[in-house]
Amino acid sequence: DAKTTQPPSMDCAEGRAANLPCNHSTISGNEYVYWYRQIHSQGPQYIIHGLKNNETNEMASLIITEDRKSSTLILPHATLRDTAVYYCIVRSASGAGSYQLTFGKGTKLSVIP
Amino acid sequence: NAGVMQNPRHLVRRRGQEARLRCSPVKGHSHVYWYRQLPEEGLKFMVYLQKENIIDESGMPKERFSAEFPKEGPSILRIQQVVRGDSAAYFCASSTRLAGGSDEQYFGPGTRLTVT
Repeated sequence: DAKTTQPPSMDCAEGRAANLPCNHSTISGNEYVYWYRQIHSQGPQYIIHGLKNNETNEMASLIITEDRKSSTLILPHATLRDTAVYYCIVRSASGAGSYQLTFGKGTKLSVIP
Repeated sequence: NAGVMQNPRHLVRRRGQEARLRCSPVKGHSHVYWYRQLPEEGLKFMVYLQKENIIDESGMPKERFSAEFPKEGPSILRIQQVVRGDSAAYFCASSTRLAGGSDEQYFGPGTRLTVT
């Protein structure tokens, strides 16, 4: 059962902001939204996560809608090194299955010079 | 500040041999997870371990696969009598499992297993 829906691919010009959308319309109250990325065959890299409020760290910003049914990952100034597959993952805070990450197909972001 | 370490990075085995994959978590992390990524597919959860305990192995095939995380030393994923379908990238992740369940899993570089 797919908990998240992401576009299969996106392009972004180098230096511009990359906005990656994710739909999670069936998210429940105790489920977090996580973002990871995988750069060509490397291990997935944690980016950011949030529950209700918007979050920002040195890598990205996470904007979660008020109804929590969708979110957007923002890379403020995309570089060529940001070319990767980005995964939006919904994960329960507790209970069975709360520890495993369920990866879908993600969005392949291509940053273009 | 070492992250998750996995070795070997590449492993070639003939059909019927055994494969042993090792994972050293981030220092201070006591929770280890193994994932498998088949060619052109996403990562699939296999098993979750704490020190000396298997917590959830629901994603691991019932036969030929086993995992351990001893009190001392790395976590080991063992595949006996490998077949061509076992060829994949195997990733290990670790976490501190903070109170409240909001923990980040940090991944290693993976072991690429090729069965010939």
